[in-house]
Amino acid sequence: AQSVTQLDSQVPVFEEAPVELRCNYSSSVSVYLFWYVQYPNQGLQLLLKYLSGSTLVKGINGFEAEFNKSQTSFHLRKPSVHISDTAEYFCAVSDLRGYSTLTFGKGTMLLVSP
Amino acid sequence: EPEVTQTPSHQVTQMGQEVILRCVPISNHLYFYWYRQILGQKVEFLVSFYNNEISEKSEIFDDQFSVERPDGSNFTLKIRSTKLEDSAMYFCASTEGRSNTGELFFGEGSRLTVL
Repeated sequence: AQSVTQLDSQVPVFEEAPVELRCNYSSSVSVYLFWYVQYPNQGLQLLLKYLSGSTLVKGINGFEAEFNKSQTSFHLRKPSVHISDTAEYFCAVSDLRGYSTLTFGKGTMLLVSP
Repeated sequence: EPEVTQTPSHQVTQMGQEVILRCVPISNHLYFYWYRQILGQKVEFLVSFYNNEISEKSEIFDDQFSVERPDGSNFTLKIRSTKLEDSAMYFCASTEGRSNTGELFFGEGSRLTVL
């Protein structure tokens, strides 16, 4: 079984500031790692994913995340946020079966203000 | 771009009533899922469905829940006798097949309010 912890329920930040959203996971097996974003009144959209290879992965909208196996973390970062980045961000893991069941964290609300 | 669509977007029902939430997955996808998110809590897995049968379900998915793919395009979640604690956002998702790498395509969700 896997679990995901997102330590921050809400992160307020000013526009053009950098941001890091934290995610830690636990699993007894190797996993794939994901960040999903949910904009207001929309469904969950994949932001980026780590499957294997380079531990730094780049996603849409200028976001990136780094997989750290020793710390079991997959923190999401963006060097300069926009108002439009205001959304809920979910970290998720799945095991390596071909059909995957995602285990989500509780989500972090990113609030970008001018 | 193909997308997963869900209806209704919001349903209000009385406790004890039956509810059916509908989803149209992406047309070439083979695996279908329901997740739910109770307000303020995690997005939780309910059930996965492949080849016209349930492939996996969580402990949340008890006898009150059922899923069906009645006509080759719709994928439905039925709650037989709703309880207050069933109030949540329900997300449908789909994915291509066994070789997929875990990326699910989600619909916009159906908000269920049980009074």
